[in-house]
Amino acid sequence: DTAVSQTPKYLVTQMGNDKSIKCEQNLGHDTMYWYKQDSKKFLKIMFSYNNKELIINETVPNRFSPKSPDKAHLNLHINSLELGDSAVYFCASSPRTSGTEQYFGPGTRLTVT
Amino acid sequence: QKEVEQDPGPLSVPEGAIVSLNCTYSNSAFQYFMWYRQYSRKGPELLMYTYSSGNKEDGRFTAQVDKSSKYISLFIRDSQPSDSATYLCAMSGQGAQKLVFGQGTRLTINP
Repeated sequence: DTAVSQTPKYLVTQMGNDKSIKCEQNLGHDTMYWYKQDSKKFLKIMFSYNNKELIINETVPNRFSPKSPDKAHLNLHINSLELGDSAVYFCASSPRTSGTEQYFGPGTRLTVT
Repeated sequence: QKEVEQDPGPLSVPEGAIVSLNCTYSNSAFQYFMWYRQYSRKGPELLMYTYSSGNKEDGRFTAQVDKSSKYISLFIRDSQPSDSATYLCAMSGQGAQKLVFGQGTRLTINP
């Protein structure tokens, strides 16, 4: 059973397009996250939701809009994609609002051309 | 200066060696310390989780936290080729609601 799943796994698109990434967790956790991992493997938090409520928004351009339809799902929509958005995006979930013990999905590799 | 510093390596050791991976940090509010393992093209996997100072052992893995020096370590005994991965340290403060990650150290265990 996949605990945290993401779709799609790979996404190749052109500059200026709008795209979405979906995340689902079946762990029963209340807290979910989006991270961006750049080419140097640096993992940086973007957003955090607790029970469908946004609790962390880390100075991310407003072209990025998260949405949580229920506590098991957290989606990420990106408008007007730029070259610098190319990265691997990870979804994670945690049983604690403290942010500890996070469980990650397999990642979505986004390439903007 | 980054809040969490981790040597990116790469680090290459022979099979069976003891591996030592380290992170330093600047924020004295950090109280929760984690180590994640990330295989190539996979998501990070939680390996070890410790609270405050001290040691924690799990099989071949030992995590150490020295809050007075703001220094954490992960030791891998009897290293195996399957341990080859990138190891990321992560930490969090009380009520912080988020993790701050190190850059990760790329480790290769040679058969």
